[in-house]
Amino acid sequence: AQSVTQPDIHITVSEGASLELRCNYSYGATPYLFWYVQSPGQGLQLLLKYFSGDTLVQGIKGFEAEFKRSQSSFNLRKPSVHWSDAAEYFCAVGPFGNEKLTFGTGTRLTIIP
Amino acid sequence: DTAVSQTPKYLVTQMGNDKSIKCEQNLGHDTMYWYKQDSKKFLKIMFSYNNKELIINETVPNRFSPKSPDKAHLNLHINSLELGDSAVYFCASSQVGHGSEQYFGPGTRLTVT
Repeated sequence: AQSVTQPDIHITVSEGASLELRCNYSYGATPYLFWYVQSPGQGLQLLLKYFSGDTLVQGIKGFEAEFKRSQSSFNLRKPSVHWSDAAEYFCAVGPFGNEKLTFGTGTRLTIIP
Repeated sequence: DTAVSQTPKYLVTQMGNDKSIKCEQNLGHDTMYWYKQDSKKFLKIMFSYNNKELIINETVPNRFSPKSPDKAHLNLHINSLELGDSAVYFCASSQVGHGSEQYFGPGTRLTVT
């Protein structure tokens, strides 16, 4: 069965600092991996996705993620966070066609001035 | 134009009542989903429909009944509401195939008193 672990429930970073959110997955085949962001009271918005090819993927809002098969990880990074990045971040894994996405428990990001 | 819309945004009702949540997507996608997000932000798939046909039905009480009148609509009807049904319900859609991702609606916050 597929599963996703986001080890950090809550992360606080200063505005302008770099960010890394961790995601580890368990999946029997080549995974399709996603990062979504949920702002307070909003739905989920896709930040980026990985299906194949270059293991470093670029997303919206200056985010990037690196797929490391040997570590079963897909960590999300941003070199310099902005106050508007405060939100809940979800990592997800799915099969081909992603009919059934499995989400991690989310990491809440707080930005301090 | 809103890609995936849900109505209502908020729903407050008493135990034992029956209620429906509606979802519409204007993206031309062939697959729609219902997710439940609990108070701890955990997001879990409930149902998935492809071209009006049920393809995923997770372990959900049979008080929950999805209905897809056409490809663009997926409604969720809940009978005999219980306190534990209180959650945020998200509708999503996707075009199944390589490289697709799920687009989420803004959510419906259901409160059962």
